[in-house]
Amino acid sequence: AQSVAQPEDQVNVAEGNPLTVKCTYSVSGNPYLFWYVQYPNRGLQFLLKYITGDNLVKGSYGFEAEFNKSQTSFHLKKPSALVSDSALYFCAVRDTDYGQNFVFGPGTRLSVLP
Amino acid sequence: GAGVSQSPSNKVTEKGKDVELRCDPISGHTALYWYRQSLGQGLEFLIYFQGNSAPDKSGLPSDRFSAERTGGSVSTLTIQRTQQEDSAVYLCASSLGHPTDTQYFGPGTRLTVL
Repeated sequence: AQSVAQPEDQVNVAEGNPLTVKCTYSVSGNPYLFWYVQYPNRGLQFLLKYITGDNLVKGSYGFEAEFNKSQTSFHLKKPSALVSDSALYFCAVRDTDYGQNFVFGPGTRLSVLP
Repeated sequence: GAGVSQSPSNKVTEKGKDVELRCDPISGHTALYWYRQSLGQGLEFLIYFQGNSAPDKSGLPSDRFSAERTGGSVSTLTIQRTQQEDSAVYLCASSLGHPTDTQYFGPGTRLTVL
């Protein structure tokens, strides 16, 4: 079965500093990995995904994520955080051995302090 | 183009009543998903439709929950005899249907059961 962990419920970072939101996964096949962001009272917005190829994936709003197969991780990063990045971030995985279902992590709340 | 739309945006009902939640996916998207998000929590998979195939109902929490997708487009999630624990935001997402395709989410329906 597939699973996703986001070990930090909350991440605080000062504006202008780099940010990292962690994600680890477990699958039996190969993973398709996704990051979504949720602003208050809004649906989820797609940020980026890893399917195959280059381990470093670049996405919307200056975010990027690095796929690390040996560590089964897909951490989300941004070189310089903005206050407007404050939101709830979800990592999701789809296991190629388990059809179409996504499994979402519990979410990490990012607060960027001015 | 238009994104995923959901209606109503908010629904308040009394315990024991039935409710219907509607999802209009992105035109041309063959896959449609329903999720439930309790306050400040992650996403719980409910049901998945793909084209004309039998839906994956493995996430429905009880037989009070059902969903239909008519004509391969609009979907309705029905909750019968609502309970207070059904209070949550119900999110719909659609995709083109390939396992690597991104899911695009609607804004959600906030259901409150009094």
